[in-house]
Amino acid sequence: DTAVSQTPKYLVTQMGNDKSIKCEQNLGHDTMYWYKQDSKKFLKIMFSYNNKELIINETVPNRFSPKSPDKAHLNLHINSLELGDSAVYFCASSQGVGNTEAFFGQGTRLTVV
Amino acid sequence: GNSVTQMEGPVTLSEEAFLTINCTYTATGYPSLFWYVQYPGEGLQLLLKATKADDKGSNKGFEATYRKETTSFHLEKGSVQVSDSAVYFCALSDPFPSGSARQLTFGSGTQLTVLP
Repeated sequence: DTAVSQTPKYLVTQMGNDKSIKCEQNLGHDTMYWYKQDSKKFLKIMFSYNNKELIINETVPNRFSPKSPDKAHLNLHINSLELGDSAVYFCASSQGVGNTEAFFGQGTRLTVV
Repeated sequence: GNSVTQMEGPVTLSEEAFLTINCTYTATGYPSLFWYVQYPGEGLQLLLKATKADDKGSNKGFEATYRKETTSFHLEKGSVQVSDSAVYFCALSDPFPSGSARQLTFGSGTQLTVLP
């Protein structure tokens, strides 16, 4: 009955590799997000995606690309991984109309070695 | 742009102590305000919210009141427990989003440790 689920929970990979993190929500929400949490717990929005409209945080490197096959999924693909990409990545979803809260997945801890 | 400023941690309290975590915000218009909690190794969970001025959000003994005049949304609990140990995030919902997507702007988080 998990509302927002991410896989994998842990990901250890070498510099230069390409990896993907998957996210699925079963809440029927029309908006999904990716957030990055650094080692100091600071959360930064990376992308929001609503009805095929992608809003990109301009500070996110173009090595990061979201891919949404349908409304319930928003995957994050990362090319040419760097040490500085190590962080916890959270997927979230919300219903787009009105000031509503977001529901978060459990997070994916990415470690680049 | 929008911003949220939170009291810096870490905060360490004894069980049954009173808790206040300060949060102030900057936004154009009238955002909704939230407190999220992150327990160790888990994702963020909504703790409480308020959608308009003078609203009070409450849950699990925690409370916060939306104060427009001071642009604040301070989190309080009268008697904390060891199980309240977590990171607490104040957040606001963009009142003027691009398109129809609504995104949250988070504060920097406050680590709370409650000792028995």
